[in-house]
Amino acid sequence: GQQLNQSPQSMFIQEGEDVSMNCTSSSIFNTWLWYKQDPGEGPVLLIALYKAGELTSNGRLTAQFGITRKDSFLNISASIPSDVGIYFCAGQRGAQKLVFGQGTRLTINP
Amino acid sequence: KAGVTQTPRYLIKTRGQQVTLSCSPISGHRSVSWYQQTPGQGLQFLFEYFSETQRNKGNFPGRFSGRQFSNSRSEMNVSTLELGDSALYLCASSPRDRGDEKLFFGSGTQLSVL
Repeated sequence: GQQLNQSPQSMFIQEGEDVSMNCTSSSIFNTWLWYKQDPGEGPVLLIALYKAGELTSNGRLTAQFGITRKDSFLNISASIPSDVGIYFCAGQRGAQKLVFGQGTRLTINP
Repeated sequence: KAGVTQTPRYLIKTRGQQVTLSCSPISGHRSVSWYQQTPGQGLQFLFEYFSETQRNKGNFPGRFSGRQFSNSRSEMNVSTLELGDSALYLCASSPRDRGDEKLFFGSGTQLSVL
């Protein structure tokens, strides 16, 4: 079945640093979503992307829909302690179910 | 608008028992999906219900079942619980407009099987 490769699996950074993570697939998607999950909670939708090349921001977060439609990127600028959590990418083809990446666990040292 | 509500928040059961989890979607959302999440694992899709019909199903044994009511509320049931069923069970609703699946998740039910 379809799979999303999300990297890195985990990140350990200093507060104030910028963060980059990405998601790649062997299949083309027409929708990319990015979620964040806090410990013990459900994932919360951060950004939705619907067009190849689209660049969308939500505060300090910026996500891009790759030109090939097989990848997406999420950047977080000037990280703060509340950015800690697991970030998931998800892709959709047509009206099919969302496919989720395995997540990137972000840890921030104060 | 109220978000997705899942009850109970925590459950402790023993092997062999059965359990029912409940989910109330966002008002107006007709699609409800269920996911299992174990520590260190991603989100494993269980099933999706739309207008009271199961529309998609993941690769889980028949001990996992669900249903959706006319008001879009959904329940999932796990029978003959096993230790490996300990997980966070997440419900997500979606308007599913034009097939677009922007999922909104509840806080989950943390199930521990002893």
